[in-house]
Amino acid sequence: GAGVSQSPSNKVTEKGKDVELRCDPISGHTALYWYRQRLGQGLEFLIYFQGNSAPDKSGLPSDRFSAERTGESVSTLTIQRTQQEDSAVYLCASSFFSGGPYEQYFGPGTRLTVT
Amino acid sequence: EDQVTQSPEALRLQEGESSSLNCSYTVSGLRGLFWYRQDPGKGPEFLFTLYSAGEEKEKERLKATLTKKESFLHITAPKPEDSATYLCAVQVSNDYKLSFGAGTTVTVRA
Repeated sequence: GAGVSQSPSNKVTEKGKDVELRCDPISGHTALYWYRQRLGQGLEFLIYFQGNSAPDKSGLPSDRFSAERTGESVSTLTIQRTQQEDSAVYLCASSFFSGGPYEQYFGPGTRLTVT
Repeated sequence: EDQVTQSPEALRLQEGESSSLNCSYTVSGLRGLFWYRQDPGKGPEFLFTLYSAGEEKEKERLKATLTKKESFLHITAPKPEDSATYLCAVQVSNDYKLSFGAGTTVTVRA
């Protein structure tokens, strides 16, 4: 079946502009996660959604970052007033939730460059 | 605080030269340990989940093992197409996010 898809694949933006990144999870996966991977660094958790429960926002680095998810489908990650340190690959993943298995399947990522 | 440490950072192998990658972890209550492969410019690709000490899983030339403190990814008789960054991640029992190590970049020369 179809995997996790993300768009756009690349985004170049000027410092101070807002950007929206989109993620389409695997059909049937109730949990959706956002991670960030800076150049040469490991993946860092940003936020996750599970069904209608309140999202876990504990990884968001600042209040310029926000995310939404409609039901168990598409999610958007919004970064307001982008800064150069926001440049990274933003990865989305999805998984089953209660009862497992818990492995997360990743999309190809959105490479964000802030100039 | 949960910690995941991978070693070595980089590994250069000759084709056919078997080796092992290490992932040591310090967590409170492990739900699962995950291995992923990441090729340049792509998202991580799921390889294995290990849930309890003593568990082993295999896929082609890869074998993952788990103890109470660490996991090993053994690469047997590697081929150039096994060149990638291998990522280890843990999930704890009261949470669902993954905490990743920094990865081991494996290069296999023909």
